[in-house]
Order: sequence, then structure tokens, then C-alpha cells
Amino acid sequence: DVVLTQSPLSLPVTPGEPASISCRSSQSLLESDGNNYLDWYLQKPGQSPQLLIYLGSNRASGVPDRFSGSGSGTDFTLKISRVEAEDVGIYYCMQPIHTPPYTFGQGTKLEIK
Amino acid sequence: EVLLVESGGGLVQPGGSLRLSCAASGFPFSSHWMHWVRQAPGKGLVWVSRINFDGRNIMYADSVKGRFTISRDNAKNTLYLQMSSLRAEDTAVYYCARDRSDSGTYVGFSWGQGTLVTVSS
Repeated sequence: DVVLTQSPLSLPVTPGEPASISCRSSQSLLESDGNNYLDWYLQKPGQSPQLLIYLGSNRASGVPDRFSGSGSGTDFTLKISRVEAEDVGIYYCMQPIHTPPYTFGQGTKLEIK
Repeated sequence: EVLLVESGGGLVQPGGSLRLSCAASGFPFSSHWMHWVRQAPGKGLVWVSRINFDGRNIMYADSVKGRFTISRDNAKNTLYLQMSSLRAEDTAVYYCARDRSDSGTYVGFSWGQGTLVTVSS
């Protein structure tokens, strides 16, 4: 199974400051079609997960442009240029290509300082 | 707008059975792969099962293989998860999620609001 390792697991951030989350995969997620099959999801408190980024760097519809995804192969990063209070929650990376199983990272809890 | 509404959760005794449903709207359900993903209380997301657009290609996590059955009724725009031989460790919120269309590109998962299953005596 592909293992996704996120860091840090806890991320306290001051509003207006940037934030960065890493996701490392035990296998390359770069496929022959040129796409990196890595998603980012945010689960706000008491809510279901919501898609932020798909295929490594594509922002989902309605996602603010302060969120960006980058990386290739086995190393990926989610960046928030300026954290806002509404960004609190748990961030998960997920790989949908080396299946079964589809696998998720452990989650990174972002909180406001 | 994609709308996925899960139902059927509840309290069930160990060894019991339960069937979850996920009513889909706002997209061509019969064209999309669909998933069940669960989340135990205070824990992370764990994939459970996937079914392709016509129900002929199915995958399960090892932890549920032989106990859970995923199915779909494209005429009713509904996804199902039949769960049997339930264990305490199956206690979780169960989410249905929409995947790609069979002929389309991958654009990530869209999620329902979830339904809670509690396995306890």
C-alpha cells in the first residue's frame, strides 16, 4: 500500500501569516499522462471533507487563490499564502492512483494562534 | 451542484447488519465512479470501497472484504453499502464520495455529509 506521510501534524498559525504542509508518498504519484495524482482536502470542524486541490496543483472550483499545491513524484506541498480564521481544520492529502486501497495522510490540524 | 445525502446509519449490535444509502443529485450519477470512506471518532479518513459506473468493477479495503458489499442503482441515482458481521471497530461516520466520470478526467472527490454507524451492545 502507498503510505502518505504528512508534516507537521499540528500547525498553529497567526492570522495573515503563511502556512505550509508537506505530504510525502512512499511511491511516485506521477503517471505517464503527466499528472501527479495527489489531492488535498480540508475538513472543517463538524463538517465533511471538502476538495481544495486535485492532481497536485489544480484548485477546485470556489477555492480561494490563497491556497496552492505544488510538487511532483513523491514530495508535495500545500501552501496557504495568508491564513484566515476560516481555514482552521484538518488537512488531508490523498492518492487515488495506486489502488486498492486509496490512501490518506494522517492529517494536519491547523489552528489559529 | 453535486449533492450526496447519506442515510441508514444508527446503533447496531456486534454481529449485526446495516444498509447505508447515498442519494445523489446534480450530476449524471450513472457515469461516475463512487466510493465509501469512513472516519472513526477522532480519527482520520479511511477508504472502504469503490464501485465503477456500471457496477462491474468493485474494490474493497481488506478490513471489510467479505463483510461489506457496495452496490448501486443507477435508475434511482443511489449508492448502497450493505454491512454485515459488524464489529466495534466499524464504528464511524460513513461518507459517500463521487469520483471521476467513466470518460472524464480526474477532478478529485466530492463528499456527502456522512451518516454515523455505532456498533455496540
